[in-house]
Amino acid sequence: DAGITQSPRHKVTETGTPVTLRCHQTENHRYMYWYRQDPGHGLRLIHYSYGVKDTDKGEVSDGYSVSRSKTEDFLLTLESATSSQTSVYFCATRDRDRPYEQYFGPGTRLTVT
Amino acid sequence: AQTVTQSQPEMSVQEAETVTLSCTYDTSESNYYLFWYKQPPSRQMILVIRQEAYKQQNATENRFSVNFQKAAKSFSLKISDSQLGDTAMYFCAFPGNTGKLIFGQGTTLQVKP
Repeated sequence: DAGITQSPRHKVTETGTPVTLRCHQTENHRYMYWYRQDPGHGLRLIHYSYGVKDTDKGEVSDGYSVSRSKTEDFLLTLESATSSQTSVYFCATRDRDRPYEQYFGPGTRLTVT
Repeated sequence: AQTVTQSQPEMSVQEAETVTLSCTYDTSESNYYLFWYKQPPSRQMILVIRQEAYKQQNATENRFSVNFQKAAKSFSLKISDSQLGDTAMYFCAFPGNTGKLIFGQGTTLQVKP
């Protein structure tokens, strides 16, 4: 399995506070993705990165920002957390030349109270 | 628009029996991949099986096989000799632009002893 870690694994925060989730990979994969998982919706793409400092929005990007200053790290920031952002967040990576292999991190459960 | 639909929110099967999970999708692409992911209670996303659209032969991985009907845009997963460890949520997924995955809503499978 690809070496993908996410931190923290669990977090409880209050409405209005900023939150940053970290995804770290050791596979030197070019593409990285942030998804959120909610009941009845499967996983939905928040943001993705196609290289260092190259990012773009997914289908549910409102309220989220991302940064990628080096290949191995992809950060997801909730500028001002809301209860609707309570979810499980997954990071995934993919090598440029292997579109059929996407590797997932273990997920972060975020609760906004 | 590229979409993936799983119409069975929950299913159950007796241990050692066979169960089929349904998935339909919509795309205008002619060559693509399709995936089934398993998510056990640990939350880890595990790739179960993948199908390349240009291959007519249905993919098989041990007890897992697919019934791929390209013209009907149908991609069902058959689990033979169901085991208690197969209890999980199963997601059908399809890679959209830039390799992001488009997921179905998921099917929760309960294997009963």
